[in-house]
Amino acid sequence: DGGITQSPKYLFRKEGQNVTLSCEQNLNHDAMYWYRQDPGQGLRLIYYSQIVNDFQKGDIAEGYSVSREKKESFPLTVTSAQKNPTAFYLCASSPLVGLAGREQYFGPGTRLTVT
Amino acid sequence: AQSVTQLDSHVSVSEGTPVLLRCNYSSSYSPSLFWYVQHPNKGLQLLLKYTSAATLVKGINGFEAEFKKSETSFHLTKPSAHMSDAAEYFCVVTKNSGGSNYKLTFGKGTLLTVNP
Repeated sequence: DGGITQSPKYLFRKEGQNVTLSCEQNLNHDAMYWYRQDPGQGLRLIYYSQIVNDFQKGDIAEGYSVSREKKESFPLTVTSAQKNPTAFYLCASSPLVGLAGREQYFGPGTRLTVT
Repeated sequence: AQSVTQLDSHVSVSEGTPVLLRCNYSSSYSPSLFWYVQHPNKGLQLLLKYTSAATLVKGINGFEAEFKKSETSFHLTKPSAHMSDAAEYFCVVTKNSGGSNYKLTFGKGTLLTVNP
């Protein structure tokens, strides 16, 4: 089956700890994205990557970091600097950036709770 | 610059009655528009997309949307609601061509409730 997997589905951490969320895709897509979803706010872009070993900040990158060492993997680290980390995190991918109006394909999400 | 306004945060219908979810957009460029659906604690699934071809777009599960440039609208409709349609729906806009068309701008979502 082709698709995007995110693990784990639920994650609990203590305040002050860094945590890494996994995202893997086997769609052979070049571009990958991380979004944060909070109730009533839609989705907000954290980071995106168009190609291996390159990534760009989105609208709310502060307190987050990413890496893109392999085409199929785009892990997100939520650092202790992120003031309000509790949220639902969604990973997405899309074919080559630059083609008109390409939709993105989403993973099932990880719900992170920090106490 | 681009933005999306979903005019209703919550819509409630009875099973078997029509569904209308309203979306207005603003874009400095020729837009592509999408509707996504999200069931509780799940990822987003693409329902349909408009990319400058036919203005009436048909999607999965009997949904359709009409692009109206003069009204800057892209409303989602379905003739007869089913219980399984209960979910949150997102209207999304992006650039239709050129560079930097990676950026999707999401509306805040409309929660659809279907009553038996």
